[in-house]
Amino acid sequence: DGGITQSPKYLFRKEGQNVTLSCEQNLNHDAMYWYRQDPGQGLRLIYYSQIVNDFQKGDIAEGYSVSREKKESFPLTVTSAQKNPTAFYLCASSMRTRNQPQHFGDGTRLSIL
Amino acid sequence: ELKVEQNPLFLSMQEGKNYTIYCNYSTTSDRLYWYRQDPGKSLESLFVLLSNGAVKQEGRLMASLDTKARLSTLHITAAVHDLSATYFCAVDTQETSGSRLTFGEGTQLTVNP
Repeated sequence: DGGITQSPKYLFRKEGQNVTLSCEQNLNHDAMYWYRQDPGQGLRLIYYSQIVNDFQKGDIAEGYSVSREKKESFPLTVTSAQKNPTAFYLCASSMRTRNQPQHFGDGTRLSIL
Repeated sequence: ELKVEQNPLFLSMQEGKNYTIYCNYSTTSDRLYWYRQDPGKSLESLFVLLSNGAVKQEGRLMASLDTKARLSTLHITAAVHDLSATYFCAVDTQETSGSRLTFGEGTQLTVNP
């Protein structure tokens, strides 16, 4: 079945540590996105990528980094510069053509130890 | 800065009743999406509204878009318990390929027997 796989489902970070969240899709989508969701709030865009080897900052990119070396993969690194990383992280993908909905993975819940 | 406001943020209703969720946004856009999220889960695409006057219906849910008023509505008819979830609207402001979504805060719907 085609879909978006995020791993791990739960992740714990120690102070000063970088952690990487995985996102893989087999939908043949060109565009991929990372969102952060805090309790009781909507989603906020961290980074997005329309094509391989290219990505743009979203609304809350500080303290995060991404890479897009393969069409299927868009990993997100939460760096130690992100002082409040505890949140639910959702990855999404879509076709590059306009008017197509984004499809979401099941998310990774990140907590601080 | 684009603002997307939903109201109400919390909605408790009885089975069988009708209600409307409102989504107002502050910039010009003719593309709006509605998503559903169950607790701790990912987002599921419900409706894609692509022009002024667009109306889409699926089961007990009907969504509409008025781009001149910058308003979308999600109408619930004869609510059932299975509709309990959080509903998000998202406005697309990407002018070229792909999409860039700004989400509302979400409306947490609880349908009581």
